[in-house]
Order: sequence, then C-alpha cells, then structure tokens
Amino acid sequence: GDSVTQMEGPVTLSEEAFLTINCTYTATGYPSLFWYVQYPGEGLQLLLKATKADDKGSNKGFEATYRKETTSFHLEKGSVQVSDSAVYFCALSRKTSYDKVIFGPGTSLSVIP
Amino acid sequence: NAGVTQTPKFRILKIGQSMTLQCAQDMNHNYMYWYRQDPGMGLKLIYYSVGAGITDKGEVPNGYNVSRSTTEDFPLRLELAAPSQTSVYFCASNTGQSYNEQFFGPGTRLTVL
Repeated sequence: GDSVTQMEGPVTLSEEAFLTINCTYTATGYPSLFWYVQYPGEGLQLLLKATKADDKGSNKGFEATYRKETTSFHLEKGSVQVSDSAVYFCALSRKTSYDKVIFGPGTSLSVIP
Repeated sequence: NAGVTQTPKFRILKIGQSMTLQCAQDMNHNYMYWYRQDPGMGLKLIYYSVGAGITDKGEVPNGYNVSRSTTEDFPLRLELAAPSQTSVYFCASNTGQSYNEQFFGPGTRLTVL
C-alpha cells in the first residue's frame, strides 16, 4: 500500500545552518506531495506542495522537488532560523473515494541560536 | 474566514465518561476528517466524511462515532472513554481534490484518567 518514510529525528541545528529532511514515498500512479509544518501547540499547516513530477514547491525559503525516478520529496532550506523549530510532516495524496492522505511520522527540528 | 475551529482545546475525562469534540469549518468544504496524534507519532485517521449525511471509518474507528448533518459541522463522539484514547485530536477539511491541501484545526488535547 501507499506509504511515506521520513528521516528519523530529532534534528538539532545551529541558526543559519543548511537543512535537509529526507522523504521517500511508495504509491501507485502520480500522487500529489506535500510538506506540512506543526509549530508547538498548533495544528498542521501546509508549507509547500508539488502535484506532478519535476515540480518544485517553495515557501518561506523552504524548497522540495518532486522526483519521480527516486520517489523522493526532500525538504531543504539554505539557512534555518530559530523560528523554524517545529515538526515537519511529509505527505502524499492520491485520489480515492475519500481523497486519502498518507502522512509520514514527522521529523522534529530544533534550531539553536 | 475562521477556517477550521475545534472546541474544547483541552479536556480531562474519567474512564467511562463520554464527550463530544466539536469541529466546524466555514470554507464550504465537502470533505472533513478526524485524526488522532499520539506523542511522537504521525496522524491516524479515525473517521472521514465526503459530504453531509455521509461518513465512513478510517484506520482507527473503534471507540468513536461521528455524524455529519451539515456541511459545516463534523462532531466526534467518545462514548466510553478509555486511557488508550488519551491523545491530541485534529479535525481537517479540504475540497476533495487530491492536489489541494488539508486545512487543520488547532486540535483538542484529551486526557483520560
């Protein structure tokens, strides 16, 4: 069945460091891919998305490219800030009877000054 | 636009008590979902609805019930609370298109003692 795998956390980085959070997926067809972010005490919110192969999603300095050949959607940011400390979820969506969304387990990021 | 709202934010229940978690959205979304998030884990789908009067089970429906009498509201009912239901509950909605994101509420933190 469909699944999403993310790198294990927690991840701790110093401010201005480069961030990569790996995400790979298993799905039939061509799913849409998403990164959601969850700040402490809040619900999930969309960070970026890509709906077809080779698309690049970007927002707030974060980027991820939909790689069909490697079934990956890695999240990157060139220079993290303390305010980026959160849990990041990779997810895929495939059109089924209820627009099923599969979430990865989440990767916790802490950025220290 | 309030988006997705949930009440209450926090609740403590005794074993065997019942309660209803409220969820409402003002975006005219047909699809609505209930998830639970256990500490350090991803999201598990409890129930979903594709429109008023239509509901169906997700991955972990045991111990819960839902109803969908209007497009806006999607309450989740716990009949006989058990410690295993201690979790954070998130309601979400979307348009039903797989390329569109889900919009999440702020969550309800439930503790069963």
